[in-house]
Amino acid sequence: AQRVTQPEKLLSVFKGAPVELKCNYSYSGSPELFWYVQYSRQRLQLLLRHISRESIKGFTADLNKGETSFHLKKPFAQEEDSAMYYCALSGGSYIPTFGRGTSLIVHP
Amino acid sequence: DTGVSQNPRHKITKRGQNVTFRCDPISEHNRLYWYRQTLGQGPEFLTYFQNEAQLEKSRLLSDRFSAERPKGSFSTLEIQRTEQGDSAMYLCASSLVGGQYSYEQYFGPGTRLTVT
Repeated sequence: AQRVTQPEKLLSVFKGAPVELKCNYSYSGSPELFWYVQYSRQRLQLLLRHISRESIKGFTADLNKGETSFHLKKPFAQEEDSAMYYCALSGGSYIPTFGRGTSLIVHP
Repeated sequence: DTGVSQNPRHKITKRGQNVTFRCDPISEHNRLYWYRQTLGQGPEFLTYFQNEAQLEKSRLLSDRFSAERPKGSFSTLEIQRTEQGDSAMYLCASSLVGGQYSYEQYFGPGTRLTVT
């Protein structure tokens, strides 16, 4: 079985502060991990996937197989980063399991 | 093609009534997924189609739920004899499996169902 845990329901920071949204997973095979984002009144969209190892909107996420984590980080938060963030894991069937989400609020 | 679309966007129904939702995926995508999302939770997988074939159903999909994707294009999700516990956001997503971006799903705006 595959499981994704996002321990924080809410993360509140000030503009310019570093941000780390935590994600831990459980999966017996080799996972594909993703972060999805949902801005207010918009649809869920893919932010980044671990295999591409790219930075999107200043966000990065590194897969740590030893700690089974895939935390999302940004060194300097912006107000426009305020959104719901979902970590997701896909096994071999391309069907993702989502975490419950973390609401990020960036204060001016 | 402006992405995945879903209709209706909102549906209020009385307990015991049947409802049907529609999803139009991105035209070249061969996979279509249905999810349910309740307050405070992430999307939960219900079922998916590869072209017109329904290949997997979650145990969340009770006998009152049925999904179709005739001709491998749009899909419908029907809930019979709705219950208050069916109140949720129903999301549709599509993807193109078989290439470099097989894992990437594109979501629709969702249909919010309220059962009174």
